[in-house]
Amino acid sequence: GAGVSQSPSNKVTEKGKDVELRCDPISGHTALYWYRQRLGQGLEFLIYFQGNSAPDKSGLPSDRFSAERTGESVSTLTIQRTQQEDSAVYLCASSWATGVEQPQHFGDGTRLSIL
Amino acid sequence: DAKTTQPTSMDCAEGRAANLPCNHSTISGNEYVYWYRQIHSQGPQYIIHGLKNNETNEMASLIITEDRKSSTLILPHATLRDTAVYYCIVRFMDTGRRALTFGSGTRLQVQP
Repeated sequence: GAGVSQSPSNKVTEKGKDVELRCDPISGHTALYWYRQRLGQGLEFLIYFQGNSAPDKSGLPSDRFSAERTGESVSTLTIQRTQQEDSAVYLCASSWATGVEQPQHFGDGTRLSIL
Repeated sequence: DAKTTQPTSMDCAEGRAANLPCNHSTISGNEYVYWYRQIHSQGPQYIIHGLKNNETNEMASLIITEDRKSSTLILPHATLRDTAVYYCIVRFMDTGRRALTFGSGTRLQVQP
């Protein structure tokens, strides 16, 4: 499809394990964003990529969280030594980066549950 | 980014127009108004945005008052699939601030 694709759609893992979440943005979108949404809550910004660089990683909650992007395309968000408070839906969005007014287009997220 | 105020919830009959208001009285001249919605268990969906002029696309119309202190999103013929939480966002035109911040939004229930 032409939209933002995220995988897996659901992930259940035990506390202390590492997880990797993948995002395939819309083709040609140079800006990519990761957000977190806890149950019943609003969006929490995590990190923003312009191309393969991350000029804003101010939202990453701890050093257990990291993200990378390659080929100005796919991005991976990695959470090490997961904790129960990491349980949330992790959303990826992409946009053209020619102007800040460009809208962000979201995937349907990865629902992460930490047991 | 300017603060927005939206009603907590609204109902609309299927087939009728849904008019969702948003107050942004502290908006500045270089801030855009965006509307997104989130249907249960899905990611947010971009609907429309504008700066000063009214805008229309295949999903909706956006009416911005002349003083830009408020706006209305219009879904011309609401369907049951339009039941969602609708978010009005005012976004500062600053290349450094790219993260979206959603408020509480308006929960629109389209009734059959």
